[in-house]
Amino acid sequence: RKEVEQDPGPFNVPEGATVAFNCTYSNSASQSFFWYRQDCRKEPKLLMSVYSSGNEDGRFTAQLNRASQYISLLIRDSKLSDSATYLCVVIYGNKLVFGAGTILRVKS
Amino acid sequence: DTAVSQTPKYLVTQMGNDKSIKCEQNLGHDTMYWYKQDSKKFLKIMFSYNNKELIINETVPNRFSPKSPDKAHLNLHINSLELGDSAVYFCASSQDRGGLARYNEQFFGPGTRLTVL
Repeated sequence: RKEVEQDPGPFNVPEGATVAFNCTYSNSASQSFFWYRQDCRKEPKLLMSVYSSGNEDGRFTAQLNRASQYISLLIRDSKLSDSATYLCVVIYGNKLVFGAGTILRVKS
Repeated sequence: DTAVSQTPKYLVTQMGNDKSIKCEQNLGHDTMYWYKQDSKKFLKIMFSYNNKELIINETVPNRFSPKSPDKAHLNLHINSLELGDSAVYFCASSQDRGGLARYNEQFFGPGTRLTVL
């Protein structure tokens, strides 16, 4: 089993839709979790950290499920500008592992 | 004002050559990283330096050698380039929190697109 797994997509959704991605991780000792966004031919940028209690930033909600070992990202009211690759990051000890990313395409 | 900068942005070279990529950060961070993103877009950490000390060294061929002259710079030297080295190389920095969950938000440079012919 890979350390961090994501559905590569692409997820093709219309503007205004709600879309959710999951990211599963194999190491139950994982301590920190993040979602990054990467636009085509650009560098990854932090979207949000993921806390145990869940956290929300505008249209974006991140959640952590330790029992089932996954994190999720929910995007409400999708915009064209949300089209990108979403990478989850899992950290345990000195290990920092990126998922392969989920491609989101929002269409008008 | 660029936070993490890399040079060059593009690098095209022949197999067997030796090349270097430079990285500088002006964020005052104490930890810097090199990542490789291959054609399948998979981003994999190669090295991490904290205050000029190597703390992560993933399974990377020893043709790759990082050099950190000071905590604001982390350069990557690659010897005897091979076709499989073609990828985008990202430098990043973060402020190390220490302890069990030491890694904080990563700030990435714009990437260096290396093509080996």
